[in-house]
Formats: sequence, C-alpha cells, structure tokens
Amino acid sequence: KAGVTQTPRYLIKTRGQQVTLSCSPISGHRSVSWYQQTPGQGLQFLFEYFSETQRNKGNFPGRFSGRQFSNSRSEMNVSTLELGDSALYLCASSGTGKDEKLFFGSGTQLSVL
Amino acid sequence: GNSVTQMEGPVTLSEEAFLTINCTYTATGYPSLFWYVQYPGEGLQLLLKATKADDKGSNKGFEATYRKETTSFHLEKGSVQVSDSAVYFCALRGAQAGTALIFGKGTTLSVSS
Repeated sequence: KAGVTQTPRYLIKTRGQQVTLSCSPISGHRSVSWYQQTPGQGLQFLFEYFSETQRNKGNFPGRFSGRQFSNSRSEMNVSTLELGDSALYLCASSGTGKDEKLFFGSGTQLSVL
Repeated sequence: GNSVTQMEGPVTLSEEAFLTINCTYTATGYPSLFWYVQYPGEGLQLLLKATKADDKGSNKGFEATYRKETTSFHLEKGSVQVSDSAVYFCALRGAQAGTALIFGKGTTLSVSS
C-alpha cells in the first residue's frame, strides 16, 4: 500500500508570492490533516478535511487555506507569503475511526526569502 | 481549549540508560493520548496510544500510562539504544468525535554509544 505522498519535497519562494502544496493520502483514507512544523513552535495544527469538508481548523490567519477533492487528495494554499511561513508542512491521512492513527508524509520544506 | 505540554529537550543519554519524557495535558472529559516519533529525515509515526484512564500503551520497549488524576502521559523506556535517537511528540485528541489531533512541541532524544 503506498504511503502518504506530498509534493513538492522542497520549495523556495519570495515574500508576497503564493504557494500550493499537494497531498495524496493512503488509498481509502478520507481524512487529511495539515500541520506546520518549525523548530520554535513544534507541530501546529492547520486544518483537517474529511470527505471534501473542512472538519477542524487551527489558529492560523486566512492566508492559509485548503481543500479536498473527491478522490481525497488535498491541497493547501498560502497566499502573500511572509518570512515566518518558512517551515516544514506535513500532511497526514487516517481512516474513519475515532482513534485511527495518522499516517504522515515526509513533508514539503518551504523556504520564504 | 485542549493543549499538550511536554518537557523541553534535548535529552542526551548513554546507551542502556533509562528514559523518561514528561507529558501533561489540558482537556475536558477523557481525551485519547498518543506518542508519535519522528526519526531523522522521516515523517511522524505512531509509537503508542491509550484511549482511557489507567490504560497503558506499549510498543518497542516504550510504555506510557494514561493518568487522569495527574493529567499526564509520560513516556518511559528501561534501556535506550542508539537507534532510539529521534524526536518524540506527545499528542491528544479530544473526547468529542471529529476533533483534531493536537501535538506538543516535541522532545529531541540523542543516545550515544
């Protein structure tokens, strides 16, 4: 079974630009969550999608948005990039049970210059 | 809201030493508790979990007991190996169905031979 796939692996952007990151979950998984990982703040929850609907949202500004397609693939978008958006963005998928474990991708490393 | 606090790292140990990584949480009701591990260059993976008070999760020699009275879920291992060097994350999912998985900031463990 293929794991969670995130593309691209690395990305370099400049301030003010926008970026779109992609996540393909494990086949059959309908839940996709996004996290931002930085050395200072650790893992911060961005949002979760389930069956194309945003189910949960963390405390990030509106510049961060996401969506999920009918095949469960998900994208997240960050507009008007700031230097502080430099981070590793992790995507995770899971099944439908309450305590289903999350399967994480290797992440997209975003650098904003 | 829900939150997780875990001890700051890094933790540096010699091989075969005893490991404890402290984790406390704030949540209403009875959340589910998890430990995830991130090996260098890889995504996070579930290490163990406990879904009700007094449950003990265990895997690969690691253990953690869900203590409702102290709101804690400390990770322990009796004898660490060099291969245990990684970042360890304590996480919580609220008692209500459909809530997001919230992580602590992570604790870096470095084991030397």
